[in-house]
Amino acid sequence: QKEVEQNSGPLSVPEGAIASLNCTYSDRGSQSFFWYRQYSGKSPELIMFIYSNGDKEDGRFTAQLNKASQYVSLLIRDSQPSDSATYLCAVNGGNKLVFGAGTILRVKS
Amino acid sequence: DTAVSQTPKYLVTQMGNDKSIKCEQNLGHDTMYWYKQDSKKFLKIMFSYNNKELIINETVPNRFSPKSPDKAHLNLHINSLELGDSAVYFCASSRTSGGGNNEQFFGPGTRLTVL
Repeated sequence: QKEVEQNSGPLSVPEGAIASLNCTYSDRGSQSFFWYRQYSGKSPELIMFIYSNGDKEDGRFTAQLNKASQYVSLLIRDSQPSDSATYLCAVNGGNKLVFGAGTILRVKS
Repeated sequence: DTAVSQTPKYLVTQMGNDKSIKCEQNLGHDTMYWYKQDSKKFLKIMFSYNNKELIINETVPNRFSPKSPDKAHLNLHINSLELGDSAVYFCASSRTSGGGNNEQFFGPGTRLTVL
């Protein structure tokens, strides 16, 4: 069983819509969770982290965490073509981050 | 000022050669990492150093040898390169090695192609 699972996509949404990206993890002891965005040919950059159950909002981005269900998601409101990228979910497993394989998001104008 | 820098950006070499990739961070972080991202974009940790001390050594062939001369630098030397080593190698750093909200900052990556 993979430690961090994401749907590889691609997830296609029209411009202005809400994009919903999901991630599940296997280690119940995980404490903190990260969403990175990676444009093609570039390095991953952090969008948000979350460590408490519930929602955390930052601009157009909302991270949601449900530790009981071992589930973390990222919502992108008012999606823009510039949001088209691969979104990597990462879970802090002690002294390292374990990454999912990423979800490709395509925002169509 | 680049926070995490790597050299070279591209590396094309023949099978069997030995090559090195260098990484430097100017963020004052204690912890540095090497990741490998394969053609399927899966990002997997290889090594981590905390203040020059090796703390993570994942299942990586011993042809790969990291070295940290000081906490701002982490280099990766690869001996006897194989076709399967072709990937993008990312260096990253974080303030500490512990859990919590320990954001990692990534370098631009080194695309290694073994012919």
